[in-house]
Amino acid sequence: GAGVSQSPSNKVTEKGKDVELRCDPISGHTALYWYRQSLGQGLEFLIYFQGNSAPDKSGLPSDRFSAERTGGSVSTLTIQRTQQEDSAVYLCASSWKSGGAYEQYFGPGTRLTVT
Amino acid sequence: AQTVTQSQPEMSVQEAETVTLSCTYDTSESDYYLFWYKQPPSRQMILVIRQEAYKQQNATENRFSVNFQKAAKSFSLKISDSQLGDAAMYFCAYAASNNDMRFGAGTRLTVKP
Repeated sequence: GAGVSQSPSNKVTEKGKDVELRCDPISGHTALYWYRQSLGQGLEFLIYFQGNSAPDKSGLPSDRFSAERTGGSVSTLTIQRTQQEDSAVYLCASSWKSGGAYEQYFGPGTRLTVT
Repeated sequence: AQTVTQSQPEMSVQEAETVTLSCTYDTSESDYYLFWYKQPPSRQMILVIRQEAYKQQNATENRFSVNFQKAAKSFSLKISDSQLGDAAMYFCAYAASNNDMRFGAGTRLTVKP
């Protein structure tokens, strides 16, 4: 079956512009995660959604970052007024349910470059 | 807060040899899960192996095995009979039973032919 997909695969934007990154999780997965991976670094947790519960936003680095998950499926990560330090690969993952007992399946990521 | 530490930024191994990647973690939880993920240049994160903390037996998956030392909070990955396709970034990760996953900074593994 189809895995997690993300679009666009690459995005170049000018400093100060807003960007939207999209994630299509595996059908039936109720949990969805966003991570940020800076060059040569590990994955930094940003936010996760579990079903219809309020999302855990504890990892968002600033109020310029927000995310939505419509209809319990597709998710959009929005970065407003982008800064050069936002340049990174943004990875999305989904799992059947949240928590360590359930394997997370990752998308290929979106590489964001802020010039 | 839970943290995951990988003290080896880079490792190399000769093809067909064995290599061990180190990982330590810090937690006050008793119920949790540990993972090793592989990230090749394609950026696609792939689960290599998983260990439940309540299990004493070390997990194995073909050429991949772990040495889980719960008291020491250590979780190393052993790759036997290394292959060229094993070259990648390897991330150790921790997740509590109902929480998000925390990753280490990664170890870049090079396999020499």
